[in-house]
Amino acid sequence: ETGVTQTPRHLVMGMTNKKSLKCEQHLGHNAMYWYKQSAKKPLELMFVYNFKEQTENNSVPSRFSPECPNSSHLFLHLHTLQPEDSALYLCASSHSGILAGADEQYFGPGTRLTVT
Amino acid sequence: SQQGEEDPQALSIQEGENATMNCSYKTSINNLQWYRQNSGRGLVHLILIRSNEREKHSGRLRVTLDTSKKSSSLLITASRAADTASYFCATEVSGGYNKLIFGAGTRLAVHP
Repeated sequence: ETGVTQTPRHLVMGMTNKKSLKCEQHLGHNAMYWYKQSAKKPLELMFVYNFKEQTENNSVPSRFSPECPNSSHLFLHLHTLQPEDSALYLCASSHSGILAGADEQYFGPGTRLTVT
Repeated sequence: SQQGEEDPQALSIQEGENATMNCSYKTSINNLQWYRQNSGRGLVHLILIRSNEREKHSGRLRVTLDTSKKSSSLLITASRAADTASYFCATEVSGGYNKLIFGAGTRLAVHP
């Protein structure tokens, strides 16, 4: 148990559906992240939020829309996805490294997404 | 292109043996971190080494960093079957605060 929870753990959706992934951290961190992990590819950073502000968008297609209403919650809204978007989506949190450099990140268990 | 690349891609050893994994990167870094991932699960942080450090220890783990060669190694001593997992290095590029770039990982199998 890392203190970062993700729901749902598994999601199957059609290409025309709209769904959301949720991440919550109970660690008092102020930086949160979304990563995508596809088979046989390195972990890809998607978005970074520091103090609720988005500080990184790693050229992610607009069919992925993040939302960070407060420092404890992070959402990833999904719409009109493609089969190649099937992957494990991981959320992580850390203390903000803006002044002191990146700190260790705590990861949730991930959401296994399958797009049919 | 990828910042961190692990070597080997896969490693199979017997319990009690040592396991060494290497990571190379391309650009200047603030720090380098090692993470472990059990199959299909989230990553767990193992150790962080800053660019001005050369070696760190944590339990059975030993990490070295050679900034002149842009490389790091993770040594797991006296391995156990429970160490079976994928191991990733991640680098924070200088000037890229809070942004970690992960390598493709080394899959370690420890056989009883």
